[in-house]
Amino acid sequence: DAGITQSPRHKVTETGTPVTLRCHQTENHRYMYWYRQDPGHGLRLIHYSYGVKDTDKGEVSDGYSVSRSKTEDFLLTLESATSSQTSVYFCAISDDRSRSPLHFGNGTRLTVT
Amino acid sequence: SQQGEEDPQALSIQEGENATMNCSYKTSINNLQWYRQNSGRGLVHLILIRSNEREKHSGRLRVTLDTSKKSSSLLITASRAADTASYFCAKSFNTDKLIFGTGTRLQVFP
Repeated sequence: DAGITQSPRHKVTETGTPVTLRCHQTENHRYMYWYRQDPGHGLRLIHYSYGVKDTDKGEVSDGYSVSRSKTEDFLLTLESATSSQTSVYFCAISDDRSRSPLHFGNGTRLTVT
Repeated sequence: SQQGEEDPQALSIQEGENATMNCSYKTSINNLQWYRQNSGRGLVHLILIRSNEREKHSGRLRVTLDTSKKSSSLLITASRAADTASYFCAKSFNTDKLIFGTGTRLQVFP
């Protein structure tokens, strides 16, 4: 399995608080992605990174920011969590854009109360 | 939307039967990928098929791609209870991004 670790695995937080999710990889892959998974919507891309300090928006980026200061770490921040951001968040990595398979972490289940 | 559709949304079969899932898209793709997700886990890559390919196999899995109809199918032959999972197609539109469909939930009964 590709070396991807997401932390925390579970988190409960209150509306209005900032939350940061971490994705750590040991594969030295250039591309990293954050998806959210919700019933009826499949996986939707939030943000992705194509290199250190290089990021771009996905389909559902409002209310989220990301940072990548090192190849191995990609952080997703919910600036002020809302109940609509209750979801399962997946990090994925790839070595060649979308021309290669993605390798996924096991997800972070976030509940915003 | 570039996403297209997946069907069926859910599929229940007996062990030993074949399972077919379909994926459609609306604009030209670079490649199309199929993934499996077991409950509570991340997605696992199954097969990638490029736009100039028509069919690929991996064990009991067969993927076809018809670019004229903008559709792909995943066939699982001789299914097993362990194949119970959700299956997703994901489309690459020659960008950095991979766009996923909503998936098919497959239940295989012993």
